[in-house]
Amino acid sequence: GDSVTQMEGPVTLSEEAFLTINCTYTATGYPSLFWYVQYPGEGLQLLLKATKADDKGSNKGFEATYRKETTSFHLEKGSVQVSDSAVYFCALSDEWNQGGKLIFGQGTELSVKP
Amino acid sequence: EADIYQTPRYLVIGTGKKITLECSQTMGHDKMYWYQQDPGMELHLIHYSYGVNSTEKGDLSSESTVSRIRTEHFPLTLESARPSHTSQYLCASSEDSRNTGELFFGEGSRLTVL
Repeated sequence: GDSVTQMEGPVTLSEEAFLTINCTYTATGYPSLFWYVQYPGEGLQLLLKATKADDKGSNKGFEATYRKETTSFHLEKGSVQVSDSAVYFCALSDEWNQGGKLIFGQGTELSVKP
Repeated sequence: EADIYQTPRYLVIGTGKKITLECSQTMGHDKMYWYQQDPGMELHLIHYSYGVNSTEKGDLSSESTVSRIRTEHFPLTLESARPSHTSQYLCASSEDSRNTGELFFGEGSRLTVL
């Protein structure tokens, strides 16, 4: 079945460091790919998405490119801030999944130190 | 900004009690979901609904039940709570007419069963 695998956390960075969180997926169809972010004590919110191969999603300085050849959707940010400390979830929604259910990775906790 | 609300945010109860977690959305979304989030952060779909009078079990077996009598309301009930039910429960909804998988989440209900 479809699945999402993320790099394990926690990831600890200093402010202004470069961030990469790896995400790879397995899907039988043509999935849409997402990054959700969960700040402490809150629910998840959509950070960015890409709906087809080679699309780049971007928001708040974060970006991720849908790579069909490597089945990857790695999240990057050039210069992280303390306020970026959160848990990041990679997710997919398969085109053939009429329920619209998201399949989530296990989450990667990011901690940014001043 | 998403308009989906969960109550209570925090609940501590004794074993054997009946509890209902409330979830309401004002966006007119047909699709609603309940996720259970364990301490390791991983999200598991336990229930979903495609509309009024439609409910389905998710990927993770759960002793909880749900109902969908009104579009905006999707409560989750545990008839007899146990310590193993201690977790965070996240409600989400989706308009998703194009089946792109974007969900809007509530802030969560953190349940502790003693």
